[in-house]
Amino acid sequence: EVQLVESGGDLVQPGGSLRLSCAASGFTFSDYWMSWARQAPGKGLEWLANINIEGNEEYYVDSVKGRFTISRDNAKNSLFLQMNSLRVEDTAVYYCAGGSYGRRDRWGQGTLVTVSS
Amino acid sequence: EIVMTQSPATLSVSPGERATLSCRASQSISSNLAWYQQKPDQAPRLLIYAASTRATGIPARFSGSGSGTEFTLTISSLQSEDFAIYYCQHYNNWPWAFGQGTKVEIK
Repeated sequence: EVQLVESGGDLVQPGGSLRLSCAASGFTFSDYWMSWARQAPGKGLEWLANINIEGNEEYYVDSVKGRFTISRDNAKNSLFLQMNSLRVEDTAVYYCAGGSYGRRDRWGQGTLVTVSS
Repeated sequence: EIVMTQSPATLSVSPGERATLSCRASQSISSNLAWYQQKPDQAPRLLIYAASTRATGIPARFSGSGSGTEFTLTISSLQSEDFAIYYCQHYNNWPWAFGQGTKVEIK
């Protein structure tokens, strides 16, 4: 069974840092591009970052560029999102997703990040 | 950056009826468009990619059409499990973007 399981979501103060993880199983992780997306409470979806199969190409949306870093460890079937300088507006459910080219056909259940003092 | 606009915001449909959802891109995206379904407290689910190709396991009542800037998702006969929010998303170039979503509710 294809599975993506996120972890690491927590309550953090503004300006703080958090590292999210996404563990993949049931498919060949190293064959897929991976992404992070998020959804603020009651709002729509927003793509944050993409990473290629080898892990040497990264793409970020402007709202997180310079603050967030996507990475992967193919040997451990894992995807990561390092989030620094967190803001209140970063409060959201964070999803990892994987797929080929532009489609993302496998998603995790999401992990909640709350940024509040 | 390409902006995706969906209409209507809410669509009220009776079970068994046809639902037609629209999505417009602010510039041409060829056929680089996907549709996702999201139910409350669940992750998005890929329905359609390349504008008209159903993802694995998606019922035939879901169909997509369009290219360039105008796209449509059609649900031919709504089932109870189809009431959800639907998002279109382009992947023509980075940054990718979702539309704001269309909520399909029971009439």
